Amino acid sequence: NAGVTQTPKFQVLKTGQSMTLQCAQDMNHEYMSWYRQDPGMGLRLIHYSVGAGITDQGEVPNGYNVSRSTTEDFPLRLLSAAPSQTSVYFCASSYARDDNSPLHFGNGTRLTVT
Amino acid sequence: AQSVTQLDSQVPVFEEAPVELRCNYSSSVSVYLFWYVQYPNQGLQLLLKYLSGSTLVESINGFEAEFNKSQTSFHLRKPSVHISDTAEYFCAVTSPPAAGNKLTFGGGTRVLVKP
Repeated sequence: NAGVTQTPKFQVLKTGQSMTLQCAQDMNHEYMSWYRQDPGMGLRLIHYSVGAGITDQGEVPNGYNVSRSTTEDFPLRLLSAAPSQTSVYFCASSYARDDNSPLHFGNGTRLTVT
Repeated sequence: AQSVTQLDSQVPVFEEAPVELRCNYSSSVSVYLFWYVQYPNQGLQLLLKYLSGSTLVESINGFEAEFNKSQTSFHLRKPSVHISDTAEYFCAVTSPPAAGNKLTFGGGTRVLVKP
């Protein structure tokens, strides 16, 4: 059981480049989300999805796009990277309406934008 | 909107000493509260949670937290820490009906256990 898998683990981009962070889960979770982690600020929600075809914005959505074409996958796109997007990105998933379902996290993608 | 404040960014502690990590939240609705732990170069793992019922909740590795509604707090304690407890700890809040959705996290407390 792989859980939540994120790729790549590390990435360096130049300002203005685009890329997609991949996230896949094999637990049949309806809910998937992306957080960014910055020192002293904890984790902040970027975008989330409660099922295939449904996405919504979190606390810090600007500069990021998402889509949810399947239950398993929830990619995060940076269309034009900026140094302010240097961060560690975590994907997480859970059942959408189950109080006993905690949020399961991937191991993160460390992104540096120069 | 909900928010979480972790009052200490770093807590150094000697092995076998007790530790307390403070967490305060603000919310205008009912809450679910969580503590997550992050070991170096890993994702977050659930340590314990409060959904309802007894206000004192425990984890399998000796941590406990108490929900105090009047003080809007959910402090985490361990009576005797081990070197392996060195990690960053995050307090988080969300609201019913879905305990796993749209968590709001505090800024984290880094615990360094010294021999």
